[in-house]
Amino acid sequence: GESVGLHLPTLSVQEGDNSIINCAYSNSASDYFIWYKQESGKGPQFIIDIRSNMDKRQGQRVTVLLNKTVKHLSLQIAATQPGDSAVYFCAETTPGNNRKLIWGLGTSLAVNP
Amino acid sequence: DGGITQSPKYLFRKEGQNVTLSCEQNLNHDAMYWYRQDPGQGLRLIYYSQIVNDFQKGDIAEGYSVSREKKESFPLTVTSAQKNPTAFYLCASRGLAGFQETQYFGPGTRLLVL
Repeated sequence: GESVGLHLPTLSVQEGDNSIINCAYSNSASDYFIWYKQESGKGPQFIIDIRSNMDKRQGQRVTVLLNKTVKHLSLQIAATQPGDSAVYFCAETTPGNNRKLIWGLGTSLAVNP
Repeated sequence: DGGITQSPKYLFRKEGQNVTLSCEQNLNHDAMYWYRQDPGQGLRLIYYSQIVNDFQKGDIAEGYSVSREKKESFPLTVTSAQKNPTAFYLCASRGLAGFQETQYFGPGTRLLVL
């Protein structure tokens, strides 16, 4: 059969390589950004966040970079593992609007052993 | 063991039927949210509640209804007016993570139409 629907951007990497997932956000007034990981059939899981007064933040094996000039966010995963295979979403929020999250479309990361 | 639970994991709806999806949290969070996710797409906000006995429409509220009678519970009813209900439904509550409050998600309910 034929599948119909949108296809997420996909990033395919070799196990052990570093991964970089990019996100363009929409609102220049957004002051807080979050990366979520969603494994197949599960709910999104918080990975790391960053405030707009920062340009870099590091966690365990992950780094988030923020470039406010071009409204760009990236998630770097060091030494990518098979367990990192998932869809990654960026989300942004502004001070008003009840802090509702504005979600990106997501990027599918496939890790090849 | 704190967290957000959703039930059932799979739900089947017949034509013209209303169905209710359960969402419970024991995290003592005030704000709760319902999202819809279609295959290969992002999350779209259906309804949210900032506090007990109060809720607001999200971006795609038509064909859905909610109630918030207790802090722990935020059930979502998919009514017969929702003509395309097949999707993955995610419930979230808002609490502290990292720098400030953000949303924690339940495991989801997949709704299928018979």
